[in-house]
Amino acid sequence: AQSVAQPEDQVNVAEGNPLTVKCTYSVSGNPYLFWYVQYPNRGLQFLLKYITGDNLVKGSYGFEAEFNKSQTSFHLKKPSALVSDSALYFCAVRDMRDTGTASKLTFGTGTRLQVTL
Amino acid sequence: DADVTQTPRNRITKTGKRIMLECSQTKGHDRMYWYRQDPGLGLQLIYYSFDVKDINKGEISDGYSVSRQAQAKFSLSLESAIPNQTALYFCATSDSRGLGQFFGPGTRLTVL
Repeated sequence: AQSVAQPEDQVNVAEGNPLTVKCTYSVSGNPYLFWYVQYPNRGLQFLLKYITGDNLVKGSYGFEAEFNKSQTSFHLKKPSALVSDSALYFCAVRDMRDTGTASKLTFGTGTRLQVTL
Repeated sequence: DADVTQTPRNRITKTGKRIMLECSQTKGHDRMYWYRQDPGLGLQLIYYSFDVKDINKGEISDGYSVSRQAQAKFSLSLESAIPNQTALYFCATSDSRGLGQFFGPGTRLTVL
């Protein structure tokens, strides 16, 4: 079974400082990894994904994530946080070996990012 | 989000009532999903469909049913709503590779 852990319920950062939102995963095979963001009263929006290749993935709104296979992590990062980045962030995983009807995403419980002035 | 629409956006109902939540998409995707979101629990998969003739139970399908009326439409029904089904419900779609999902804006359901 695949699983995702987001160990922090909330991350607080001052605007202009770098931010990191942590994610670790567990799959039997190799992972596909995703980050989504949810703003208040909105659905989840895709930020970025790791499928294969370069371990550093760049996504929307200046976010990036680093895939670390040895640590089974996929932490979300941004060099300089903005107040408008305040939202709920979800990490998700899918086992690369799963195809057909078994290929569904498993989401973490979410991390609330609060960026203050 | 406009590519995946959900109706209604908000619904308040009473215990025992039958409720249908509808989802439509214009992305041309084969795969559609229903999730519920509860605070602190993230998203839990209720049902998913990989084409019109394919329906699969997710992690928490008890008390729910679905219908895939067309490639673009996937509805979720609560046959007899109960208070612990109060939650935010999301529909999502993905293409046949399943590399990422696109979400609707959600339906906030309250069962009194």
